[in-house]
Amino acid sequence: DTAVSQTPKYLVTQMGNDKSIKCEQNLGHDTMYWYKQDSKKFLKIMFSYNNKELIINETVPNRFSPKSPDKAHLNLHINSLELGDSAVYFCASSPSNLEQYFGPGTRLTVT
Amino acid sequence: AQTVTQSQPEMSVQEAETVTLSCTYDTSENNYYLFWYKQPPSRQMILVIRQEAYKQQNATENRFSVNFQKAAKSFSLKISDSQLGDTAMYFCAFMKQGHDMRFGAGTRLTVKP
Repeated sequence: DTAVSQTPKYLVTQMGNDKSIKCEQNLGHDTMYWYKQDSKKFLKIMFSYNNKELIINETVPNRFSPKSPDKAHLNLHINSLELGDSAVYFCASSPSNLEQYFGPGTRLTVT
Repeated sequence: AQTVTQSQPEMSVQEAETVTLSCTYDTSENNYYLFWYKQPPSRQMILVIRQEAYKQQNATENRFSVNFQKAAKSFSLKISDSQLGDTAMYFCAFMKQGHDMRFGAGTRLTVKP
């Protein structure tokens, strides 16, 4: 019954590696998002996808690439991980760009 | 660009009492949406309450209510009869339909027994 799910919930990896975080929503929503929450708890939008089209990209390094195989999935791929990428990453979805429903978050630690 | 300001980094309240969290925002838009989200230690982001700017009536959800002052661009959250489970980070958020959601820096609320 999980509405928005993310895997994995915890990810520990070394600098320079490439990793992916998966997100799935079973709410039938049109739009999905990725947020980054830093150590100070500040939430910042990274990407959003509406009907498989990228509509927002907030000055995110091109090492980050969202991939949406279908309307229910929006995965986040990160190349050449850096220490500063350590954060909690949240996936969210919304119906017609209204309130957003968040996944449980993925805590990424880069060592 | 729209900005959201939460001027109280931390607050505390005794169990069963009432607390108000402040939020102000800056926008030139007339139609938009405002939200309060709760993030408990489990880190799950939970929608608490939503307000449409075109509605004059303040939104309420059980013990949670807002004081929406459109002219003042203020959107405070009142929690009545505080419970230990209300301990969390609370984020105020602004959104114009079709655009991304902007969050404030958050207020850490502690409910004391």
